[in-house]
Amino acid sequence: GNSVTQMEGPVTLSEEAFLTINCTYTATGYPSLFWYVQYPGEGLQLLLKATKADDKGSNKGFEATYRKETTSFHLEKGSVQVSDSAVYFCALNTNAGKSTFGDGTTLTVKP
Amino acid sequence: DTEVTQTPKHLVMGMTNKKSLKCEQHMGHRAMYWYKQKAKKPPELMFVYSYEKLSINESVPSRFSPECPNSSLLNLHLHALQPEDSALYLCASSQTGTAGRGNSPLHFGNGTRLTVT
Repeated sequence: GNSVTQMEGPVTLSEEAFLTINCTYTATGYPSLFWYVQYPGEGLQLLLKATKADDKGSNKGFEATYRKETTSFHLEKGSVQVSDSAVYFCALNTNAGKSTFGDGTTLTVKP
Repeated sequence: DTEVTQTPKHLVMGMTNKKSLKCEQHMGHRAMYWYKQKAKKPPELMFVYSYEKLSINESVPSRFSPECPNSSLLNLHLHALQPEDSALYLCASSQTGTAGRGNSPLHFGNGTRLTVT
């Protein structure tokens, strides 16, 4: 079956630090890959996506590249802000349209 | 502002009550979903409606009953719930859902925080 493994948290960084949250996946076929972010008291929001190998998704300074050879989709940001504090979920979709989520990584950014 | 609207935001109900959660989207999406999320966990899929027909039921207990009156609305009827059903219930929509290639992202509402006493 499909699965997503995320770097365990929580992750605590100082403002302007570099962020990496690792995500690897197992799937049959050619999944689409997503990062969602959940701020306190809210639902999940799409942060970025990539639908085929070597695609790079980017949004709000965050980036992730779909690496088929390493089955990875690591999230990066060059300089985090306090407002980036949230829970980040890596997810994949298959042709059946069902999403498989990782366990989530809690990020806290301190001023 | 989220484009998927859920009401109510908070709900407290006893184990003998009957209540309903409501969800609305006006993005023209043809798939709608109910998810359950416990604290510090990822969302768990409960139901999927694709083109207004129930296409996935993830073996959810019958005390949860979904309804899709039209392509914009999704309800979740609750009856005889247990305290362990307390959670955040998230509605989501996507362009094509189970009928598509899987490259449509989910658009989530902000959820209903349900407490069963």
